[in-house]
Amino acid sequence: SQQGEEDPQALSIQEGENATMNCSYKTSINNLQWYRQNSGRGLVHLILIRSNEREKHSGRLRVTLDTSKKSSSLLITASRAADTASYFCATPDSGSARQLTFGSGTQLTVLP
Amino acid sequence: GAGVSQTPSNKVTEKGKYVELRCDPISGHTALYWYRQSLGQGPEFLIYFQGTGAADDSGLPNDRFFAVRPEGSVSTLKIQRTERGDSAVYLCASSQTGDSPLHFGNGTRLTVT
Repeated sequence: SQQGEEDPQALSIQEGENATMNCSYKTSINNLQWYRQNSGRGLVHLILIRSNEREKHSGRLRVTLDTSKKSSSLLITASRAADTASYFCATPDSGSARQLTFGSGTQLTVLP
Repeated sequence: GAGVSQTPSNKVTEKGKYVELRCDPISGHTALYWYRQSLGQGPEFLIYFQGTGAADDSGLPNDRFFAVRPEGSVSTLKIQRTERGDSAVYLCASSQTGDSPLHFGNGTRLTVT
């Protein structure tokens, strides 16, 4: 079952602009993770935010978490063509913490 | 350093055949996961190993799917009597512990004709 759902499904921006992707989930979590997937490749872990954190930064990435709304956002600042990829949020399954449940992803296209 | 390696990268098989997909995790990673990803979707959990044992196989869709990790390192996902609906990218991931972020391989694209 899908725990996280990303919004929008697809996003197209110009290089240098910021990109914001959102994720909503259904059950209580102890952490939420964001992954990136380039076409034809595996997923790459970007950032993990714990349930007691509200915001986290890593380079050009900024992640927020609102547990009251069961939502998270991923902001990529000053986007580059190389940021073109699919982005997924993932949360531990409520029944098995080792089982990550992924959303269906946001396809980001950054135009040069 | 070497990442997670999956072989083959592509596999085409006929309906009803048996296939094996191999995963070499990052050295020293005790946790190993198999996921399946259909086009336009996120990965779906299949099975999780901690060491040699399958700690959680609740995601395996039916008894045609089986996975082993006999020495706590390399894992093989086995699919019997393949069906067209099994066509997908099968992703393997490993982590240092069960709580660490996952490191994924590039996947095996399985096509059942």
